[in-house]
Amino acid sequence: EIVLTQSPGVLSLSPGERATLSCRASQTVSNNNLAWYQQRPGQAPRLLIYSASSRAPGIPDRFSGSGSGTDFSLTISRLEPEDFAVYFCQQYGGSPLTFGGGSKVEI
Amino acid sequence: QVQLQESGPGLVKPSGTLSLTCGVSGGSIRSSDWWSWIRQTPGKGLEWIGEVFHSGSPNYNPSFKSRLTISVDKSKNQFSLNLTSVTAADTAVYYCARRSSRASWTFDQWGQGILVSVSS
Repeated sequence: EIVLTQSPGVLSLSPGERATLSCRASQTVSNNNLAWYQQRPGQAPRLLIYSASSRAPGIPDRFSGSGSGTDFSLTISRLEPEDFAVYFCQQYGGSPLTFGGGSKVEI
Repeated sequence: QVQLQESGPGLVKPSGTLSLTCGVSGGSIRSSDWWSWIRQTPGKGLEWIGEVFHSGSPNYNPSFKSRLTISVDKSKNQFSLNLTSVTAADTAVYYCARRSSRASWTFDQWGQGILVSVSS
């Protein structure tokens, strides 16, 4: 099973600032099959990024993903008020599918 | 736009069976997608439980395999989860989700989630 470790656990920033979140895998994620999701309180997760760097439909271009192998990152270039939420990475390169523990971006 | 909706009991007794259904609207369960169950707890975060294809072929997380059945009902455009021998550790918010080739086999559509508590 691929274990995904996210850091930092909590990131305290202000609107307009840049956020960089990390996701490290315990082994190589095949084909860079890594996704990022955003979860706001009381809501289901929402797909942001797939294949490590492709934005899902309707996702603003301030969200970008990068990385390969075992190290991946999600960057939010300029935080909007609605971006303060929890972010999860997820790998689908191997079974079972697994999620990271999440990073909370707070004001 | 496909929409998913979980339904089922919010309370299950220990050692009982947790049964949930996910209704699919705005699209067909016969599409070339996988239909998944995921749960979320404060302690273990998000866990993929398993999934089913419209043909009925399942993929299960080994952590649940011995007590899990996921099935599809094409006539009702829905799929279901049965988890037996539940304990308090199975208390969670359960989500159904679609894993689609349109998004490189990621979870691109989710239900709103349903809280299931295991308690006597």
